[in-house]
Amino acid sequence: ILNVEQSPQSLHVQEGDSTNFTCSFPSSNFYALHWYRWETAKSPEALFVMTLNGDEKKKGRISATLNTKEGYSYLYIKGSQPEDSATYLCAPGGYSTLTFGKGTMLLVSP
Amino acid sequence: DTAVSQTPKYLVTQMGNDKSIKCEQNLGHDTMYWYKQDSKKFLKIMFSYNNKELIINETVPNRFSPKSPDKAHLNLHINSLELGDSAVYFCASSPGTSERGELFFGEGSRLTVL
Repeated sequence: ILNVEQSPQSLHVQEGDSTNFTCSFPSSNFYALHWYRWETAKSPEALFVMTLNGDEKKKGRISATLNTKEGYSYLYIKGSQPEDSATYLCAPGGYSTLTFGKGTMLLVSP
Repeated sequence: DTAVSQTPKYLVTQMGNDKSIKCEQNLGHDTMYWYKQDSKKFLKIMFSYNNKELIINETVPNRFSPKSPDKAHLNLHINSLELGDSAVYFCASSPGTSERGELFFGEGSRLTVL
């Protein structure tokens, strides 16, 4: 089980703002890093699965980068919308085990 | 069609009882999981099954036992329920055994032990 830290714990932005979150993890025994979006009263949904150092993935206004050597990943949201309000979880892991962070709770006000 | 479905969604029971939560996936995935969302809101892995074989089992009390009749189903049985077992339990599935496959989660089952 890895020690996973996500920051900030929560974030409140205005519609149209761009924002980013950090996920930090031990760089040893790294195999993959997952990002999930978790809306209240729903189940977590996968955003990205990243494996290679320097990986950058994008889905619409959301993108993520990965640095496995220093043990961090950033998630960026460009032009936040109210529907982006959710908790964003990262989960790094070695083979066959994922450890979830506590998440960053994002609230986007219209 | 729901990809990963869990039943029941809510379960309220007395201490000492035995209960089960069922999970089914129609995605054809090889691996299924049970996660517990603890009081601090962390999602913690409990069990993982690949093709009906247990492949990881974190430090979970042996009152919890996963049962997989086939690769589309992974049920969670809990004996002698305790107050501390109150939590939301999530079932998930992924293709293959590697953690490089994204997880598909069920909607969760909220267990309340009185």
